[in-house]
Amino acid sequence: GAGVSQSPSNKVTEKGKDVELRCDPISGHTALYWYRQSLGQGLEFLIYFQGNSAPDKSGLPSDRFSAERTGGSVSTLTIQRTQQEDSAVYLCASSVETGTSNQPQHFGDGTRLSIL
Amino acid sequence: AQSVSQHNHHVILSEAASLELGCNYSYGGTVNLFWYVQYPGQHLQLLLKYFSGDPLVKGIKGFEAEFIKSKFSFNLRKPSVQWSDTAEYFCAVKGGLRGTYKYIFGTGTRLKVLA
Repeated sequence: GAGVSQSPSNKVTEKGKDVELRCDPISGHTALYWYRQSLGQGLEFLIYFQGNSAPDKSGLPSDRFSAERTGGSVSTLTIQRTQQEDSAVYLCASSVETGTSNQPQHFGDGTRLSIL
Repeated sequence: AQSVSQHNHHVILSEAASLELGCNYSYGGTVNLFWYVQYPGQHLQLLLKYFSGDPLVKGIKGFEAEFIKSKFSFNLRKPSVQWSDTAEYFCAVKGGLRGTYKYIFGTGTRLKVLA
């Protein structure tokens, strides 16, 4: 079946521009995660959605970052007024639900964001 | 603070050598532990996981990991590596209580296997 789909796969933009990154989770997966992976770093948790609500936004690095999820499915991560330090691979993952702990995440291929 | 440490950032082995990648975590309470692998050009995928029971867990492709609670460790092992095991390996921890959702990942270990 289809996995987690992220678009675009690559994005190059100028500093100061806004960008939108899209994640289409596996059908039926209610939990959705966004991570950031910078060069030489591990996966940095950004935000988690259960359905359309985000109980924990504490991982978002600044108020330039926001995310939403509609219909319990597609999620968009928006970065406003991009800075060079925003350059990274942004990964999305989904899982069936987190009410029970034994459901692993399924990852997308990521969006490689480069800020010039 | 909750954290995961992977001590080896880069590992180079010859084929048929044995592998052990270290993972230590700092987390209060019950934990679920994971190893993910990212092959070149592919997305992260689950290698194995521990939730409860036998602390020695077996995953895909001959990998195994042992949860040692007293050492807060979850090291990954494989008796004989292959060239196709060249990849980046990530250890992750998540609270084991119902409703716990946040995963904490280590910085990864890049494994290169020489043919």
